[in-house]
Amino acid sequence: AQSVTQLGSHVSVSEGALVLLRCNYSSSVPPYLFWYVQYPNQGLQLLLKYTSAATLVKGINGFEAEFKKSETSFHLTKPSAHMSDAAEYFCAVRGSGGGADGLTFGKGTHLIIQP
Amino acid sequence: KAGVTQTPRYLIKTRGQQVTLSCSPISGHRSVSWYQQTPGQGLQFLFEYFSETQRNKGNFPGRFSGRQFSNSRSEMNVSTLELGDSALYLCASSPGDRGSMNTEAFFGQGTRLTVV
Repeated sequence: AQSVTQLGSHVSVSEGALVLLRCNYSSSVPPYLFWYVQYPNQGLQLLLKYTSAATLVKGINGFEAEFKKSETSFHLTKPSAHMSDAAEYFCAVRGSGGGADGLTFGKGTHLIIQP
Repeated sequence: KAGVTQTPRYLIKTRGQQVTLSCSPISGHRSVSWYQQTPGQGLQFLFEYFSETQRNKGNFPGRFSGRQFSNSRSEMNVSTLELGDSALYLCASSPGDRGSMNTEAFFGQGTRLTVV
């Protein structure tokens, strides 16, 4: 069974600073990996996904993530934080074990942007 | 293209009652999954329906059930509500075929259920 660990339930950065949200996965087979963002009282919006075509994945709103198999990581970054980036971020994995697995989510990281 | 629609957005129920939540997926999507989101447990997978059949199930008691109709719309039902069932219930749709495992799930805005 796959699992996801997000390090840091809260991350605070200054506006304009680098954003780094950490995600490590555990999967016995090559995973499908996703980053979602959730704004208050809203559903989840996809930021980006790993499809095995490239290890560096670019998403919406200037976010990108790098898949590192040796480290079983899929960390999310953004060079310069904006106030509108304040939200909850979730890393998710879907196994490719043949079943139609649901997404397994990390606990989430609340991103706080300091003015 | 319309997104995933969940109704109602907010619901207040009393312990012991039952509740039915509805989800209309994106047109053409045949898979509908349900998730429960709580502050303590985070996002947890409930079940997934594909072509009117439950294809996968999370670790929830039998009080949680669902179904899918021929037009792919889905409902989930919770019977004998408990205080701990208070949560945001999210529905997600995706194409669902085996070749689209790397396709993202598109989420609705959720139904906020409060059990009092």
